[in-house]
Amino acid sequence: DGGITQSPKYLFRKEGQNVTLSCEQNLNHDAMYWYRQDPGQGLRLIYYSQIVNDFQKGDIAEGYSVSREKKESFPLTVTSAQKNPTAFYLCASSIGRQLSNQPQHFGDGTRLSIL
Amino acid sequence: AQKVTQAQTEISVVEKEDVTLDCVYETRDTTYYLFWYKQPPSGELVFLIRRNSFDEQNEISGRYSWNFQKSTSSFNFTITASQVVDSAVYFCALSGIQTGANNLFFGTGTRLTVIP
Repeated sequence: DGGITQSPKYLFRKEGQNVTLSCEQNLNHDAMYWYRQDPGQGLRLIYYSQIVNDFQKGDIAEGYSVSREKKESFPLTVTSAQKNPTAFYLCASSIGRQLSNQPQHFGDGTRLSIL
Repeated sequence: AQKVTQAQTEISVVEKEDVTLDCVYETRDTTYYLFWYKQPPSGELVFLIRRNSFDEQNEISGRYSWNFQKSTSSFNFTITASQVVDSAVYFCALSGIQTGANNLFFGTGTRLTVIP
């Protein structure tokens, strides 16, 4: 089945540690996104990518990094510079590069907690 | 600036009741898109509907209907004869062409609980 796979489902980070969240899609979508969701809040955009080897910062990119070496993969690294990383992280993708009018398809999310 | 307001934080209804989820938006764009997503307890967001700013026709899909009114900047979502499986958090979202073209602005969501 086509879809977006995020792993792991749960992740724990120690202080000062970088962790990487995986996002893979087999929908052949051009655009991919990372969002952060905090309790009682909507989703906030961290990074997005419209094409391989290109990505742009979203509203809350500080403390995060991404790469887009393959069309189907868009991993997110939460660095030690992100002081409040505990949140639910959602990866999404959409067809085409006209981002605003395309519905996004979401993965099941990764819940990151601090040890 | 783009903004989406979902004033209803939580709603509880008894099964088979109708329920309307409100969404009010702000944008300076003349061309924009509105979306509704459902987030069940499993976590993933499920796309429900997209509506562009030039199409004010209401839409019905089974038990779901949407009322788009540009005059009041609202895009409300009604579930008729609610079912327990409708229990979820529902997000309204906005995306504009001229500004924030690469951004989808989400409301804070409305948690709907359908009581059997």
